[in-house]
Amino acid sequence: KQEVTQIPAALSVPEGENLVLNCSFTDSAIYNLQWFRQDPGKGLTSLLLIQSSQREQTSGRLNASLDKSSGRSTLYIAASQPGDSATYLCAIRTDSWGKLQFGAGTQVVVTP
Amino acid sequence: GAVVSQHPSRVICKSGTSVKIECRSLDFQATTMFWYRQFPKQSLMLMATSNEGSKATYEQGVEKDKFLINHASLTLSTLTVTSAHPEDSSFYICSAYGTSFAGELFFGEGSRLTVL
Repeated sequence: KQEVTQIPAALSVPEGENLVLNCSFTDSAIYNLQWFRQDPGKGLTSLLLIQSSQREQTSGRLNASLDKSSGRSTLYIAASQPGDSATYLCAIRTDSWGKLQFGAGTQVVVTP
Repeated sequence: GAVVSQHPSRVICKSGTSVKIECRSLDFQATTMFWYRQFPKQSLMLMATSNEGSKATYEQGVEKDKFLINHASLTLSTLTVTSAHPEDSSFYICSAYGTSFAGELFFGEGSRLTVL
């Protein structure tokens, strides 16, 4: 059974620092990996989707890498801003029709 | 990206009543929709998978008679919490998958259910 772990559970950084969020998974046979952002009391916003055949994806200040062999993905957020404060979730999809397996999330606080 | 809308965003009901939550894909056809439940400070727990025109597939431990799911069209899925009890109070989130988005899932804004 696929298990997804996110470390750290919480992170606080001053504005301007780069954020590094880690996601590890136990089964390398994945279809894709998706990073989400969740604000308190809100739904999930999709940030980046990395297909199994890809090594990384970039969108603005966000960059996500994928290393299937080591079962790791890393989300980098450059030059953090207070508006980046949220919970970040990674999720693994095991096939084209399969459900997502979520990590527990990393709660990020960016202080002004 | 695509837009998934949930309604209502908040609902309060009395114990014993039924509550319906709607999930709509606004600008794409969703062949598959997923319903999740989220407890405070915890991650999402998948409740069921619904495919348009067929019965929903429920995860182990989820009561299908309590959580009725209907996916009658390619843009609408509904979750009905029947005979609600206080322990059903939770945050319910739907997500939708459309074949035109390369496997990317899009989530609704969530619905906060409070059962008194």
